[in-house]
Amino acid sequence: DADVTQTPRNRITKTGKRIMLECSQTKGHDRMYWYRQDPGLGLRLIYYSFDVKDINKGEISDGYSVSRQAQAKFSLSLESAIPNQTALYFCATSDPMTAPRGYTFGSGTRLTVV
Amino acid sequence: DQQVKQNSPSLSVQEGRISILNCDYTNSMFDYFLWYKKYPAEGPTFLISISSIKDKNEDGRFTVFLNKSAKHLSLHIVPSQPGDSAVYFCAATYSGAGSYQLTFGKGTKLSVIP
Repeated sequence: DADVTQTPRNRITKTGKRIMLECSQTKGHDRMYWYRQDPGLGLRLIYYSFDVKDINKGEISDGYSVSRQAQAKFSLSLESAIPNQTALYFCATSDPMTAPRGYTFGSGTRLTVV
Repeated sequence: DQQVKQNSPSLSVQEGRISILNCDYTNSMFDYFLWYKKYPAEGPTFLISISSIKDKNEDGRFTVFLNKSAKHLSLHIVPSQPGDSAVYFCAATYSGAGSYQLTFGKGTKLSVIP
């Protein structure tokens, strides 16, 4: 099993719909992140969490919300999806003992908003 | 304003030759730099890193050079192999951030031709 698992792998949704992307990890790391990648652009940070009670906005948090249900689970929600949220979304974890080298990324969720 | 720039979207190199991928940064506070490698349908994986107290770090066929005065780093791959064909992301962070949030460049797609 992968260390960081993202579901679904692919999703097509309609404008205005609410959608949740899920991430679970078996690394035992406290720190979890959500990044977004657009064609021709690097990864940009949406939200990050240092533990279950700690949630922080990243560079591009508008239009998104997150929930840290447990140490191992970190979900990203689009409350009302819009076409410019079409992108590849990555979840990642990190170990502060090896940071910043210790990032582990999931395989990504490809989201299309039509 | 992009703080980490990879100005070459793509690079093609013959197998066995040297691949040189370049990265520039603008934020003087960055003190740690990383290269990530990404294959299609997979998440980025850590490749090599360098601290600002060094100007070179080597790991097998991969060497990263840092020129702080020019705010420039480069990744050398010698010899290049077809399996090196992937997108390479340059990333930077600074230890004062605590969270070790990574700022990524747009990526360079390397194609190694057999």
